[in-house]
Amino acid sequence: DAKTTQPNSMESNEEEPVHLPCNHSTISGTDYIHWYRQLPSQGPEYVIHGLTSNVNNRMASLAIAEDRKSSTLILHRATLRDAAVYYCILKQGGSEKLVFGKGTKLTVNP
Amino acid sequence: EPEVTQTPSHQVTQMGQEVILRCVPISNHLYFYWYRQILGQKVEFLVSFYNNEISEKSEIFDDQFSVERPDGSNFTLKIRSTKLEDSAMYFCASSVGHFEKLFFGSGTQLSVL
Repeated sequence: DAKTTQPNSMESNEEEPVHLPCNHSTISGTDYIHWYRQLPSQGPEYVIHGLTSNVNNRMASLAIAEDRKSSTLILHRATLRDAAVYYCILKQGGSEKLVFGKGTKLTVNP
Repeated sequence: EPEVTQTPSHQVTQMGQEVILRCVPISNHLYFYWYRQILGQKVEFLVSFYNNEISEKSEIFDDQFSVERPDGSNFTLKIRSTKLEDSAMYFCASSVGHFEKLFFGSGTQLSVL
């Protein structure tokens, strides 16, 4: 399973942008980059995913480096509800499973 | 927004007993999954299910585990003879397609005593 590296924790202030980094230097050409988050006492929740191009949706933006060896999840205006563990996951093209790491615990200060 | 529903939210059982965890996936979804999370640890993949058969499973998913879609709406995980180490939060998930996002339920906390 391709490996990702994320900081253990990050802090942000409410209504400020947050950039959550992820390194995946061993990514292969068919790996999709997925981001999920897990709020306290809840199941994981899909945030965004992409292959090569940057992606935007109502929750976040995903910026993917040109060499695809890193990516950044961008929350444009953090709210208290965004406090969660964020997981960067490489999903292999031929596999159906998500391999979760330890993720980044995001704390949002009021 | 449609939801994946899991019941019960909490189940307590004695070691060696059989348990069945139940899930109702989103109605037009075709892929179904079980994951688990032992307290304080990572979320772990157990099994994926498509077209009425297991499509992928992890090393954790041994002969003690089985899955079933008995009636076209429910998706169940059975543990035949529970062990203490099976205590975990079990999450069901579903997706429209192989490359699509997964929707997770809120989980069943299984406590094996």
